[in-house]
Amino acid sequence: SAVISQKPSRDICQRGTSLTIQCQVDSQVTMMFWYRQQPGQSLTLIATANQGSEATYESGFVIDKFPISRPNLTFSTLTVSNMSPEDSSIYLCSVRQGEYEQYFGPGTRLTVT
Amino acid sequence: KQEVTQIPAALSVPEGENLVLNCSFTDSAIYNLQWFRQDPGKGLTSLLLIQSSQREQTSGRLNASLDKSSGRSTLYIAASQPGDSATYLCAAPNQAGTALIFGKGTTLSVSS
Repeated sequence: SAVISQKPSRDICQRGTSLTIQCQVDSQVTMMFWYRQQPGQSLTLIATANQGSEATYESGFVIDKFPISRPNLTFSTLTVSNMSPEDSSIYLCSVRQGEYEQYFGPGTRLTVT
Repeated sequence: KQEVTQIPAALSVPEGENLVLNCSFTDSAIYNLQWFRQDPGKGLTSLLLIQSSQREQTSGRLNASLDKSSGRSTLYIAASQPGDSATYLCAAPNQAGTALIFGKGTTLSVSS
């Protein structure tokens, strides 16, 4: 199974600022995903990070708010821009390995004050 | 559009009990279904992946079943232990078959 690391593990940020979250995988993967888990809620897909092309965003999420980079097959970043308290969530990176199974990173716990 | 529902939302049992967690999904044209465990404030740990061609998948005390025709999956935990206390999430592929759609989870508490 893929081993995924995320940085930072947690952060407390002031409203109006931006935070970039890094996701590193120990093997090359085609598909990487970013999810958000708001307090007390389940996971919601933000976008699919495509290597060499623009990320594909889900309904309700836009590139200006959540820009994503995918410079190679083992790394991706998600930026949460112009943060507000509503952005306080756990942000999780995920990869699909092989044909079906998905694995998740440990998450980044973001608190916006 | 795929929707995933899990019941119950919470479950408390004494140690040693066998228990069943339920998951239902609306789009039965899935090729797999995955069960995860999430400990408080942590990421997700993959427990079991069931392919559409399988009806059951087992790992230790865990057994997951999949019935595509009825749009249901169950996770059976045998001889529960306090260490099993966590939130259990069921997830099915989205319409594109790439990412996952999650249920809201069942939070399990096993008391000693």
